[in-house]
Amino acid sequence: EIVLTQSPATLSLSPGERATLSCRASQSVSSYLAWYQQKPGQAPRLLIYDASNRATGIPARFSGSGSGTDFTLTISSLEPEDFAVYYCQQRSNWPPKWTFGQGTKVEIK
Amino acid sequence: EVQLVESGGGLVQPGGSLRLSCAASGFTFSSYWMSWVRQAPGKGLEWVANIKQDGSEKYYVDSVKGRFTISRDNAKNSLYLQMNSLRAEDTAVYYCAGGRWFDPWGQGTLVTVSS
Repeated sequence: EIVLTQSPATLSLSPGERATLSCRASQSVSSYLAWYQQKPGQAPRLLIYDASNRATGIPARFSGSGSGTDFTLTISSLEPEDFAVYYCQQRSNWPPKWTFGQGTKVEIK
Repeated sequence: EVQLVESGGGLVQPGGSLRLSCAASGFTFSSYWMSWVRQAPGKGLEWVANIKQDGSEKYYVDSVKGRFTISRDNAKNSLYLQMNSLRAEDTAVYYCAGGRWFDPWGQGTLVTVSS
């Protein structure tokens, strides 16, 4: 079973700063990786799919990179609405399973 | 407007059953893989199950295999999760989500398993 490990657990930054979130897979997931944002009391929202493609309506300040086992979500300049929890997710072809990382909380410093 | 609306959550005793529903609108439901994802109070996200467009393939996380059954009715634009032999650790908000990458999402329905 593929395990996703996100780091750091918490990231304390100020608005306007750059955020760099990491997701490491226990074995290669090729580019089958997505990123989600979740705010308190809300459902998650898809940000990035296939490692680097922005979902519909997602601002350009969000970008994803990586392949294989190491992935990064970058928020180029934090807006007040970006403070939230971010999850990475992979899907494996066989056995077909979808797993999430444990999340990274981006909080206001 | 693309929308998913879950219903059917509530309080149930350990060992009991519950059936969740998810009503879809604003997109071609029959063209989408559909999934259930849960989130225990204060915890992260856990994929639970998903189902192919025509219902011919279904997959489950190991912890619910044999207890939960995912199904869909494309004529009614609806997704279901039949949950049997419920345990305290099944307590969570249950979300339905569409697509091979989970988008869109519903607002969630809370399932509490407690005596």
